[in-house]
Amino acid sequence: NAGVTQTPKFQVLKTGQSMTLQCAQDMNHEYMSWYRQDPGMGLRLIHYSVGAGITDQGEVPNGYNVSRSTTEDFPLRLLSAAPSQTSVYFCASSYTGKRNEKLFFGSGTQLSVL
Amino acid sequence: AQKITQTQPGMFVQEKEAVTLDCTYDTSDPSYGLFWYKQPSSGEMIFLIYQGSYDQQNATEGRYSLNFQKARKSANLVISASQLGDSAMYFCAMRGLTFGNEKLTFGTGTRLTIIP
Repeated sequence: NAGVTQTPKFQVLKTGQSMTLQCAQDMNHEYMSWYRQDPGMGLRLIHYSVGAGITDQGEVPNGYNVSRSTTEDFPLRLLSAAPSQTSVYFCASSYTGKRNEKLFFGSGTQLSVL
Repeated sequence: AQKITQTQPGMFVQEKEAVTLDCTYDTSDPSYGLFWYKQPSSGEMIFLIYQGSYDQQNATEGRYSLNFQKARKSANLVISASQLGDSAMYFCAMRGLTFGNEKLTFGTGTRLTIIP
C-alpha cells in the first residue's frame, strides 16, 4: 500500500513565487490535513478537510489555499511564498467518525523560501 | 477550542529507566481521543498509543502506557525500560470525536534523550 504520498520532498523557492505541494492517499480516508512544523512550535494545523468539497481553516491558514475535489487528493497552494513559510510540511489523513482514528502521515516536504 | 500543553521541552533519562512525558489538554468536546506520536531524527511520524475519553482503562501498547486522568485533563505517556532507540521527539495530540470537531491538535513536543 502506498499510504499517504507527499511530493516534493524538498523545494527551494524565491520570495513571491507560487507552488503547490501535492498530497494523495489511497486508503479512502475522509479526513485530510496539512501541518507545518517549526522548531519549538510542534505541528500546527494549516487547513483540513472532512470530505470532497469540504475544507476548513486550522490555526495558521494565512498564505495557503487548499481544495478537495476528490477523496484521494488534497493539494496545498502557496500563492506568493514568503520567508516566514520556510518550514517542514506534513500531509496526514484518517477516517472520521470512529474511535482510535489515528492520522497517517506523509514523509514531509522541506520548503525553503529565500 | 482544543489546546494541548507539553511543559517539558527536553528530558534526559538513563537507559533502562522508566520515563514519564507530561501532557495536559483542554477541550469542550464531550467525546475525544488522545494520541501520542514519536518523531525520530529521520523525521517520520510514528503513532504510539491512543486513549479514548470514554475508555475505562488506561491504554497500553508494549512498553508504552498512557496514564489518563480525566478529571485532571492529563494524558501522560509512560515508557518503561527505556532504550537508546527511544531518543526522539514525542508529541501529544487530541481530536474531537463529534461531527465538526475532527481536527487533530498537537502539543509542542518533548525531546527525549536516552543516555547509555
